[in-house]
Amino acid sequence: DTAVSQTPKYLVTQMGNDKSIKCEQNLGHDTMYWYKQDSKKFLKIMFSYNNKELIINETVPNRFSPKSPDKAHLNLHINSLELGDSAVYFCASSPPGYEQYFGPGTRLTVT
Amino acid sequence: ILNVEQSPQSLHVQEGDSTNFTCSFPSSNFYALHWYRWETAKSPEALFVMTLNGDEKKKGRISATLNTKEGYSYLYIKGSQPEDSATYLCAFIYGGFKTIFGAGTRLFVKA
Repeated sequence: DTAVSQTPKYLVTQMGNDKSIKCEQNLGHDTMYWYKQDSKKFLKIMFSYNNKELIINETVPNRFSPKSPDKAHLNLHINSLELGDSAVYFCASSPPGYEQYFGPGTRLTVT
Repeated sequence: ILNVEQSPQSLHVQEGDSTNFTCSFPSSNFYALHWYRWETAKSPEALFVMTLNGDEKKKGRISATLNTKEGYSYLYIKGSQPEDSATYLCAFIYGGFKTIFGAGTRLFVKA
């Protein structure tokens, strides 16, 4: 069974659209994260949720919003997509402060 | 601004060589230091979680040390193999559960 899953794996969409990426973990972890792998291949944290409360909100545009319907899910919703949003987005989960388990990534392409 | 630096940026070695990389991080507000291995087209996977000054961890041919007072960690690979080729990331955990990843050291091992 996949520990951290993301859907879709690939997402191609046009500028101005609104899209969501889903993330689910079956590890029972309290904390979930969203990362963006930028154009230089760096991994930048975007959000993390601990027990359904946002505990980190880095300086990302407010077009990006995390939504956690329950402890096992942290979805990423993006409004008004821009070309610069094209990247690979990784979801991860962990017990607080412990090693993080990453999903397979979602490659977003905005045209 | 908190910064996590890794050096070298990339490294080319021959099979059988031993090698090491450095991760430098702030010496204040330390909670944990993680090392991850990231193969191309895959997701990062945790190697070590280090929390105490002086920690030494080992997994097969790979080991790591931690100095929280001076803010650095070393990762060592003994007898490098082609399958060790990957990007090695360190992550600084501070102030509870906030995470900053370094840019990584990209290792190429030639057979």
